[in-house]
Amino acid sequence: DTEVTQTPKHLVMGMTNKKSLKCEQHMGHRAMYWYKQKAKKPPELMFVYSYEKLSINESVPSRFSPECPNSSLLNLHLHALQPEDSALYLCASSTFWAGEQYFGPGTRLTVT
Amino acid sequence: EDKVVQSPLSLVVHEGDTVTLNCSYEVTNFRSLLWYKQEKKAPTFLFMLTSSGIEKKSGRLSSILDKKELSSILNITATQTGDSAIYLCAVEAVQGAQKLVFGQGTRLTINP
Repeated sequence: DTEVTQTPKHLVMGMTNKKSLKCEQHMGHRAMYWYKQKAKKPPELMFVYSYEKLSINESVPSRFSPECPNSSLLNLHLHALQPEDSALYLCASSTFWAGEQYFGPGTRLTVT
Repeated sequence: EDKVVQSPLSLVVHEGDTVTLNCSYEVTNFRSLLWYKQEKKAPTFLFMLTSSGIEKKSGRLSSILDKKELSSILNITATQTGDSAIYLCAVEAVQGAQKLVFGQGTRLTINP
């Protein structure tokens, strides 16, 4: 099973809302990632969790708050977002030292 | 700063043609180079190339890593309309373990 699942598939939220994106994998991977992808651009790394601990934060604004409750789950909490945060948010996972990352289908986020 | 450049950015060919996509990189302490295919949503993994595995093949797709020239090519023979997608090249550096640096992608369109 090489599947990473993400919910919801689509999300529309206002600038004052609080929402969360969820990601799950059952491949036993110990590294999980959040990426942001704007139209016609490659994915941009936001956060990396290794063994449930935050190991990389690519200077992401605090209105994005990641959480890794256990080795299979990754959340991204959203609060007071801006319209320019509208994008496809991708989750990925990998074994700790492997570059081979498996991506989920993404959440298409629209901030109004 | 680590950098990955893909060419061409866009390519339109007819079904049955053979295409070659290029990726060049400047990375300190190279670990691996990966190719992904992205259609509507998530990037799907194609190949990972390392110093110990510089050539990979799967069906009509093949890829070669040239460590001397710091580059890689992705070949697709007998193209089909289903090969239409964005092809992403990403590089992993040792000290940036778990961090992939993506190129801009090549948008490939196969016309019937």
